[in-house]
Amino acid sequence: GAGVSQSPSNKVTEKGKDVELRCDPISGHTALYWYRQRLGQGLEFLIYFQGNSAPDKSGLPSDRFSAERTGESVSTLTIQRTQQEDSAVYLCASSRQLYSGNTIYFGEGSWLTVV
Amino acid sequence: AQRVTQPEKLLSVFKGAPVELKCNYSYSGSPELFWYVQYSRQRLQLLLRHISRESIKGFTADLNKGETSFHLKKPFAQEEDSAMYYCALSGNYGGSQGNLIFGKGTKLSVKP
Repeated sequence: GAGVSQSPSNKVTEKGKDVELRCDPISGHTALYWYRQRLGQGLEFLIYFQGNSAPDKSGLPSDRFSAERTGESVSTLTIQRTQQEDSAVYLCASSRQLYSGNTIYFGEGSWLTVV
Repeated sequence: AQRVTQPEKLLSVFKGAPVELKCNYSYSGSPELFWYVQYSRQRLQLLLRHISRESIKGFTADLNKGETSFHLKKPFAQEEDSAMYYCALSGNYGGSQGNLIFGKGTKLSVKP
């Protein structure tokens, strides 16, 4: 596709349920990133992938959060037993390579509301 | 610790007035700095990066290592400049990017 695609765009879920957020990066982009933005806050880095490898998972807020990526394509961010504090916009981004000279392109985000 | 600070949550100016969005950073090495912009109902996108030393849409930003600042400036603001602006830092200049560290953003409102 022309840009980073995320689904669902909006999700309302009940506290305690699991949710899965999906990201389709730009074709050919080896690096993929997940960020979270709570209301009124800045972007909080969660995790990045180089190919299907995630070298640093320390940004994930808790063990309820996990992410995986299939090859150099789709990535899913899973939140288990959702809590109200998980309500946020989850942004996915990709870049051609994992080097600072490469522009990072963002998706439109998945708005998650936990009630 | 790596940190990006944008002291103003909201900046309101009149059309034609100069605008400066402040950004200060904390990083011990040689960072790469960026400005990202998010217009209403659009996705976050790169505006400019310090290594390019370019002017995009009339905006410029100079890295001041002495003051650890990367303020975004435009001499004459336009209404279409109204948006959220995020300053970001990459901690590994020229190397593995890993992640960008973002400030909390400044909402620029340009009034007619």
